[in-house]
Amino acid sequence: AQSVTQLGSHVSVSEGALVLLRCNYSSSVPPYLFWYVQYPNQGLQLLLKYTTGATLVKGINGFEAEFKKSETSFHLTKPSAHMSDAAEYFCAVGSGGGADGLTFGKGTHLIIQP
Amino acid sequence: ETGVTQSPTHLIKTRGQQVTLRCSSQSGHNTVSWYQQALGQGPQFIFQYYREEENGRGNFPPRFSGLQFPNYSSELNVNALELDDSALYLCASSLWGGETQYFGPGTRLLVL
Repeated sequence: AQSVTQLGSHVSVSEGALVLLRCNYSSSVPPYLFWYVQYPNQGLQLLLKYTTGATLVKGINGFEAEFKKSETSFHLTKPSAHMSDAAEYFCAVGSGGGADGLTFGKGTHLIIQP
Repeated sequence: ETGVTQSPTHLIKTRGQQVTLRCSSQSGHNTVSWYQQALGQGPQFIFQYYREEENGRGNFPPRFSGLQFPNYSSELNVNALELDDSALYLCASSLWGGETQYFGPGTRLLVL
């Protein structure tokens, strides 16, 4: 069984400040980890993913995430927030192959203060 | 390259009715998964189709069913609609055995 916990349903940062969105996972098999972003009234857009190899993963729009197996974490960061980053962010875990689908967290709403 | 498309974008039904939602997969993808996203929640996995057969299912009752066609497009059917079925329904496509799923814009269903 797999599960995802996203700490903080809402995170507010000032424009230009560091963005940190937290994700912890539970998986009985080596996990595949994903961050997706959802803008209002839209579907999910893949930001980045970890499958195997390098534990620091770079994605689109300046985001990156680090897989820490010992902490079962996959936190998402961006050095400098932009107003356009305001959206809902979802962390998800999969087992590869996808027959069980992805398990998503409840999401974190990122608010950017001007 | 064409992305995942879904139709219709919005739909209103009444309790007890049946609904069919449609999805066209991204070019080259042969696997389709469906998710339900209730308001304020993360998406929940309904089922996955590959080679026109269901090969994985989440915790959803049998009144949720699907089809996949030879061109890899897919339908989600929900019978005997309940108020709690009101949600955004997302379709995602991928390659069989691939770990990454690409999502469509969703169909927003309102059950009155």
